[in-house]
Amino acid sequence: KQEVTQIPAALSVPEGENLVLNCSFTDSAIYNLQWFRQDPGKGLTSLLLIQSSQREQTSGRLNASLDKSSGRSTLYIAASQPGDSATYLCAVAGGGATNKLIFGTGTLLAVQP
Amino acid sequence: DAGVTQSPTHLIKTRGQQVTLRCSPKSGHDTVSWYQQALGQGPQFIFQYYEEEERQRGNFPDRFSGHQFPNYSSELNVNALLLGDSALYLCASSRSSNQPQHFGDGTRLSIL
Repeated sequence: KQEVTQIPAALSVPEGENLVLNCSFTDSAIYNLQWFRQDPGKGLTSLLLIQSSQREQTSGRLNASLDKSSGRSTLYIAASQPGDSATYLCAVAGGGATNKLIFGTGTLLAVQP
Repeated sequence: DAGVTQSPTHLIKTRGQQVTLRCSPKSGHDTVSWYQQALGQGPQFIFQYYEEEERQRGNFPDRFSGHQFPNYSSELNVNALLLGDSALYLCASSRSSNQPQHFGDGTRLSIL
């Protein structure tokens, strides 16, 4: 059974710092991995999607890496801003007929001005 | 181009009642998945609909049922509501089952 773990559960940093969020998964047979952002009481916004054959994806100040063999992914946020404050969720898709997503419990990020 | 829309945004029910939540997928998407997100947790997969059929189901009891209409919109029905059903219910749509899922803002369901 696939399990996804995110560390740390919460993180507070001053504005301008670079930071790394961690995600680990127990079954390396994944189809893809996605990082999402969730603002309080809102739905999920997809940030980056990494296919199983890829090692990393970049979008602006965000960079996500994937190491399938070790069951790990990281989300790197450069030059953090108060607007980056949100919960960040990692999810893996196991392929198959539905490609259902299995989520971690998220990292709550607070960027202090 | 409208994204995934869900209604209602908030709902309050009492134990034992029944509820129906609605979802309209993003234009061009034919697959709808439903997730339950309890407070402080990640979303949990309930089920997925494609071509008006339930394709796969997560670990949820039969009180949770769904439907997909010919226009690809979908409903989630929950019977005999329990306090533990209080959660944010998220709908996600995709162009097909192996494409990225796009999420709506969810329906916040509170059970008193």
